[in-house]
Amino acid sequence: NAGVTQTPKFQVLKTGQSMTLQCAQDMNHNSMYWYRQDPGMGLRLIYYSASEGTTDKGEVPNGYNVSRLNKREFSLRLESAAPSQTSVYFCASKELWSTNEQFFGPGTRLTVL
Amino acid sequence: AQRVTQPEKLLSVFKGAPVELKCNYSYSGSPELFWYVQYSRQRLQLLLRHISRESIKGFTADLNKGETSFHLKKPFAQEEDSAMYYCALRGSQGNLIFGKGTKLSVKP
Repeated sequence: NAGVTQTPKFQVLKTGQSMTLQCAQDMNHNSMYWYRQDPGMGLRLIYYSASEGTTDKGEVPNGYNVSRLNKREFSLRLESAAPSQTSVYFCASKELWSTNEQFFGPGTRLTVL
Repeated sequence: AQRVTQPEKLLSVFKGAPVELKCNYSYSGSPELFWYVQYSRQRLQLLLRHISRESIKGFTADLNKGETSFHLKKPFAQEEDSAMYYCALRGSQGNLIFGKGTKLSVKP
């Protein structure tokens, strides 16, 4: 099992460009999450999907959209990238009724110029 | 408000010395607390959780509800313990609320 996978690993964008970060998990988990990690800030929740077909905003949703394509995949879209969105993005998944161990992907390092 | 505080950005110790990474939380109700670790060039992974009361890689953490703390301890640090450590609290949305992290550096 690959666990949680993310693509791409690295990306450089210009201000105003758009892109989609992909996340997939093969653990049959119901819940999936997107976090961003910034120096000195820890990880902050952007959006989450408690189960297939539902999505909800987290702490820092502005400038992002998400799609829960199916049970395996949860994508994060930046419609018009801004330098403030330069960050490392982590996707995570867990079983809905578990004791909340979340499994993380390797991260996507995004730079917006 | 639900919040996790890790007061130390960086903790530097020598090999064999005791380590304590501090974590305080704010939560109304029964908290579920975790420690996650991120080694260099690796993904974030669960180290331990308070409900398990387990010891992983020599680390332990005890939930102190009176002091609202969940400090991570190890009696004898090893060089391979050098990593970024995050304390986390289960949020109402099933997500994790992370502290800002403490970078542990164990010197030879």
